[in-house]
Amino acid sequence: GAVVSQHPSRVICKSGTSVKIECRSLDFQATTMFWYRQFPKQSLMLMATSNEGSKATYEQGVEKDKFLINHASLTLSTLTVTSAHPEDSSFYICSARKTGLITGELFFGEGSRLTVL
Amino acid sequence: GQQVMQIPQYQHVQEGEDFTTYCNSSTTLSNIQWYKQRPGGHPVFLIQLVKSGEVKKQKRLTFQFGEAKKNSSLHITATQTTDVGTYFCAGRGSSNDYKLSFGAGTTVTVRA
Repeated sequence: GAVVSQHPSRVICKSGTSVKIECRSLDFQATTMFWYRQFPKQSLMLMATSNEGSKATYEQGVEKDKFLINHASLTLSTLTVTSAHPEDSSFYICSARKTGLITGELFFGEGSRLTVL
Repeated sequence: GQQVMQIPQYQHVQEGEDFTTYCNSSTTLSNIQWYKQRPGGHPVFLIQLVKSGEVKKQKRLTFQFGEAKKNSSLHITATQTTDVGTYFCAGRGSSNDYKLSFGAGTTVTVRA
């Protein structure tokens, strides 16, 4: 099966600093990747859709200047949480769909748990 | 966009018993997918349903897509401890819609 790798799996940072999370599709190309936020015992909240070579599409209520997304290649998307605050502490998870398969299954990364002190 | 509601939120099951989790959409779906997330893990794709009234089975798991394509269910028979986790349904509004709307999930715990 297809593998999506997410790094780091855990990160602790001080308030006011920025944190970058990487999402890589290891054995397939992904034109589109998705970034979610998941609170404890809750569902996946879609934050944005990352499109290779173009600007990300953000969901309503998600600050694009706060959560910077870059999809520089067909196998890598990054999410940067800028000027992090304790309320940004959460589980961030990415998913990817194989290029050309708009209705295909999503392959999820392992997730990144961010703790902002 | 469509809203996908999932019930129950929690399901406590005695090992060996059956249970069902339900997914309902406010609008007609082009297809629906089911994912399982083990505690501490990430969601893993289980199945996709596309046709009205479609029924698919995976060993002890039976997935159904309603005739109106607005609801779906997952039925697990003879629950085992390996079934522990959260089951999410995710629906797509149209065949051209690249986004999936996830339900809140049903978290399953098993009593041995």
